[in-house]
Amino acid sequence: QKEVEQNSGPLSVPEGAIASLNCTYSDRGSQSFFWYRQYSGKSPELIMFIYSNGDKEDGRFTAQLNKASQYVSLLIRDSQPSDSATYLCAVNGRGSQGNLIFGKGTKLSVKP
Amino acid sequence: SAVISQKPSRDICQRGTSLTIQCQVDSQVTMMFWYRQQPGQSLTLIATANQGSEATYESGFVIDKFPISRPNLTFSTLTVSNMSPEDSSIYLCSVDRGSEQYFGPGTRLTVT
Repeated sequence: QKEVEQNSGPLSVPEGAIASLNCTYSDRGSQSFFWYRQYSGKSPELIMFIYSNGDKEDGRFTAQLNKASQYVSLLIRDSQPSDSATYLCAVNGRGSQGNLIFGKGTKLSVKP
Repeated sequence: SAVISQKPSRDICQRGTSLTIQCQVDSQVTMMFWYRQQPGQSLTLIATANQGSEATYESGFVIDKFPISRPNLTFSTLTVSNMSPEDSSIYLCSVDRGSEQYFGPGTRLTVT
């Protein structure tokens, strides 16, 4: 069974620090990797996706992928209290579209 | 991105009844997906809905319990049938836009 594992947290960081969120996946055939942010009571919001090994940067966010280690991470630089949310890692499942398999999420708390 | 709306946004239903959730997208999409997020849990895919064909259900989900309609390329419904308290969840529809998947605002269902 395909699985996506995340540390549930909570992960607490001070404002301005770097938050590092980690995710491992079991299916070596996974090709697409996504990070979603979910505020309490809201639906998930896509913040990053990555397909190739290495780093992908978008503003304060950097996604890192290592397919050999089956590991994907999200770094949030200059963390803000507004970044406090649950971060969900997702990988593609069967087929080339949709069928995302989600981890249980890491709850991040950024302290002012 | 995609503009996705869902109705109702929330409902409280009695055990044994059924609820139909509607999902509307701002432009045509091939596939629509229905997920469930139980309290404190991550997202689980219920089924994939293609226009013009039967929905494809994931393991643990059956058509009799979660019938789905997909009458056109911008609309889908999910019915939660013969509800029990265990069906209390947030139900989310999502769509693909290229390589990215976007979620609707969700329907929060409470079964008493």
